Amino acid sequence: DIVMTQSQKFLSTSVGDRVSVTCKASQNVGSNVAWYQQKPGQSPKVLIYSASYRFSGVPDRFTGSGSGTDFTLTISNVQSEDLAEYFCQQYNTYPLTFGSGTKLEIK
Amino acid sequence: DVQLQESGPGLVKPSQSLSLTCTVTGYSITSDFAWNWIRQFPGNKLEWVAYISYSGSTTYNPSLKSRISITRDTSKNQFFLQLNSVTTEDTATYYCARSGTFMDYWGQGTSVTVSS
Repeated sequence: DIVMTQSQKFLSTSVGDRVSVTCKASQNVGSNVAWYQQKPGQSPKVLIYSASYRFSGVPDRFTGSGSGTDFTLTISNVQSEDLAEYFCQQYNTYPLTFGSGTKLEIK
Repeated sequence: DVQLQESGPGLVKPSQSLSLTCTVTGYSITSDFAWNWIRQFPGNKLEWVAYISYSGSTTYNPSLKSRISITRDTSKNQFFLQLNSVTTEDTATYYCARSGTFMDYWGQGTSVTVSS
C-alpha cells in the first residue's frame, strides 16, 4: 500500500496568516492527490483534487501544489472557520490511502 | 443535489456481522461513478474499505477482503456493506461517498461500536 505521511500532527496559526500542510507519498503518485477538510463533528469535504485544482465553491485562499511524492496545501489569509483537520489522499493506486491528518489550531 | 445517508445498527457484538446501508438521493448509482465505503477510527485515521461501481463491479481493500461484501439495490438507489466477524478494532464511524477519482460527496457518517 502507498503510505501518505503527514508529519505535522498539529499546526498553530493566527487569523490572517499563511500556513502550509505537507504530505509525502511513499511512492510516485503523479498528481493523483486530493485534500480534504474535516471540521469537528462533520464529514470530510474535498478542497483540492489532482494536487492543485480547487473544487467547486472552495475559497481561493486554499491552494494545492506538488507532484510525484511531495504535496502541499497552503491556506492564505487563514480565517477562524478554517479550524479543522486536513487530510491528503492518493487515488493513483488501490487501495486508496489517506494521510493521518493535520489539525489546524487558530490562536 | 446529491445526498448520501448512512444507516446502521450502532452497536454490534464481537464475532457478529455488521450491515450498513447507504441511501443516495439526487443521482442514480447506475449512471456513473464509484460508490464507496470509508471508515474513520477513533483518533481520526481514515481507511478506504471498498467500492461498487455504477456497473456493479466491486473492489475491496485487501486488508478486509476476506470479511467484507459490498452490494446494491438499484431499485431503491441504495448500496450496502456487510462486514463479518467483527472485533473491537472495527469500531469506527462509517461513511459512504461518491467518487470519480476523489470523493466529491460524502454522507454524514454512522457510528458503529463493537462491544459485548
